[in-house]
Amino acid sequence: DTEVTQTPKHLVMGMTNKKSLKCEQHMGHRAMYWYKQKAKKPPELMFVYSYEKLSINESVPSRFSPECPNSSLLNLHLHALQPEDSALYLCASSLEGQGTETQYFGPGTRLLVL
Amino acid sequence: QKEVEQNSGPLSVPEGAIASLNCTYSDRGSQSFFWYRQYSGKSPELIMFIYSNGDKEDGRFTAQLNKASQYVSLLIRDSQPSDSATYLCAVNGMGRRALTFGSGTRLQVQP
Repeated sequence: DTEVTQTPKHLVMGMTNKKSLKCEQHMGHRAMYWYKQKAKKPPELMFVYSYEKLSINESVPSRFSPECPNSSLLNLHLHALQPEDSALYLCASSLEGQGTETQYFGPGTRLLVL
Repeated sequence: QKEVEQNSGPLSVPEGAIASLNCTYSDRGSQSFFWYRQYSGKSPELIMFIYSNGDKEDGRFTAQLNKASQYVSLLIRDSQPSDSATYLCAVNGMGRRALTFGSGTRLQVQP
């Protein structure tokens, strides 16, 4: 089973709202990732968690706040977003977070900020 | 120079033909190479991965890697309209924790 699930599928929020994106995997993977993808562009890495510790933050604005409550769950808390933050947010997981591993993507959350 | 380069396309092939998608990378330390397929509005789906020089076949798909030339390709035999999608090449290596993606090649298979 190579399934990563994400909720919600779609989200519309205003610039003053607080919302959270959720990602879950039950493959026993210890590394989880958040990517952001704008239309007709490749995914851009935002955060990497390895063994529940944040190992990479790609200079993401503080209005995005990741959380990894356990090795199966990854959240992305959103606050005071801007319209330019509208994008497809992708979660991925891999075995341990080593460079050669395959990453498996979830279906994504399409976010629209008004 | 971008780390991973792909022709954006669109690459148009007739149904039943072989589609050839190419990717070059700049980091000689790269060790793992992935091809993802992405339909419009959907998330990337892993098609193939390859670590060693040479060919790797899986059904209608063949990945080819040439580390000396820093080149990786994906061949799709007997192309079907359902193969129409954007194909993302991604590269990784030891010491790096995340994939580096190319910008993707859009493939159109004409019925």
